[in-house]
Amino acid sequence: DIVMTQTPLSSPVTLGQPASISCRSSQSLVHSDGNTYFSWLQQRPGQPPRLLIYLVSKRFSGVPDRFSGSGAGTDFTLKISRVEAEDVGVYYCAQATHLPFTFGPGTKVDIK
Amino acid sequence: EVQLVESGGDLVKPGGSLRLSCAASGFTFSNAWMNWVRQAPGKGLEWVGRIKSKTGGGTTDYAVPVKGRFTISRDDSKSTLFLQMNSLETEDTAIYYCTLNGGSAFDIWGQGTRVTVSS
Repeated sequence: DIVMTQTPLSSPVTLGQPASISCRSSQSLVHSDGNTYFSWLQQRPGQPPRLLIYLVSKRFSGVPDRFSGSGAGTDFTLKISRVEAEDVGVYYCAQATHLPFTFGPGTKVDIK
Repeated sequence: EVQLVESGGDLVKPGGSLRLSCAASGFTFSNAWMNWVRQAPGKGLEWVGRIKSKTGGGTTDYAVPVKGRFTISRDDSKSTLFLQMNSLETEDTAIYYCTLNGGSAFDIWGQGTRVTVSS
């Protein structure tokens, strides 16, 4: 199985400041069709997860442009340009290139 | 509006069975590949399995912990996804989500349905 590793696991941030989360996969996530099925999800407290970023860097519908994704192969990054109070929650990376699909352990983002 | 609504969660004894449903609306369900994902209390996300559309072959894939015990199926005439869970174990206690596979495997999530396996 593909193991997804996230750093940090906890990230206290200051409102209005940037934040960054890294995710590394144990194998390349480039699919045989040429796409990289890597995503970032946000789970606010008490809510189901929500898709933020798919195919490494594409923002999903309705996602604010302060969220951006980058990376390739096995190393990926989620950046929040200016953290807002509504960004508090747990962020998961996920891969759907290889079966079984797998998730990172999650990074808890809260306000300092 | 694209929407997924899960139901069927309950308290069940170890060894018991349960069938979850996921009612879909706002998109052409028959063309969709769908997943089940679960989240144990206080834990992270775990993929359970997926089903392809009939035009995609209609086949299913499962995570190892549930293979042979869980079965995913679909009724395209009712835009509904199912998860039949047999031989339930305490480790299956979780919130179960269905997700729509679009640009990613996890484009849209339902609110989830809670399954508790306990004697």
